[in-house]
Amino acid sequence: LAKTTQPISMDSYEGQEVNITCSHNNIATNDYITWYQQFPSQGPRFIIQGYKTKVTNEVASLFIPADRKSSTLSLPRVSLSDTAVYYCLVGDQPSGGYNKLIFGAGTRLAVHP
Amino acid sequence: KAGVTQTPRYLIKTRGQQVTLSCSPISGHRSVSWYQQTPGQGLQFLFEYFSETQRNKGNFPGRFSGRQFSNSRSEMNVSTLELGDSALYLCASSLGPGQGAIRGNSPLHFGNGTRLTVT
Repeated sequence: LAKTTQPISMDSYEGQEVNITCSHNNIATNDYITWYQQFPSQGPRFIIQGYKTKVTNEVASLFIPADRKSSTLSLPRVSLSDTAVYYCLVGDQPSGGYNKLIFGAGTRLAVHP
Repeated sequence: KAGVTQTPRYLIKTRGQQVTLSCSPISGHRSVSWYQQTPGQGLQFLFEYFSETQRNKGNFPGRFSGRQFSNSRSEMNVSTLELGDSALYLCASSLGPGQGAIRGNSPLHFGNGTRLTVT
């Protein structure tokens, strides 16, 4: 059964770079790793997705080592509005042809002025 | 394009009652999946429907059920409510089957949830 591990919380200051790592030691071979952001009273919002090496979009970068047992979400120059909970999402090993989606427990990021 | 819509936003029920939650996916999305979110257990996968068929199911008791209609709208039903069912229930839609969410081609788009309180 796939299991993910993320830090429970992190603190940062405006303008700093924040790196959040998710460990997923049993990810299915064909599956991507996805990260979501959630604000209070809202559903999670897609941030970035990758399979291996490095992926970058306008809001974040995602680093995935060759063994794919972990991934690191990098948020450059955070602002107060980045205060949220961040989840990694992976797939469990297929059972009956379908993966169960496994969310990490979430990392609560607090950005301070 | 309108996002995922969940109704109602808030519900208060008593133990033993049943409840039905509704989810309207993004236009064109054929997959709807449901999640329970609690402070203690985090985000847990309930089930997924694609083209009116349940494709996958999480580890929840049979009191939790769902269905999907031909227009891709989905409902989730919880019968014989227990205090522990109090949670935020989220639905998400995606273009393809839920597998697409982890196969690089069909990210999940979440609604803002229904907050269910069981007293």
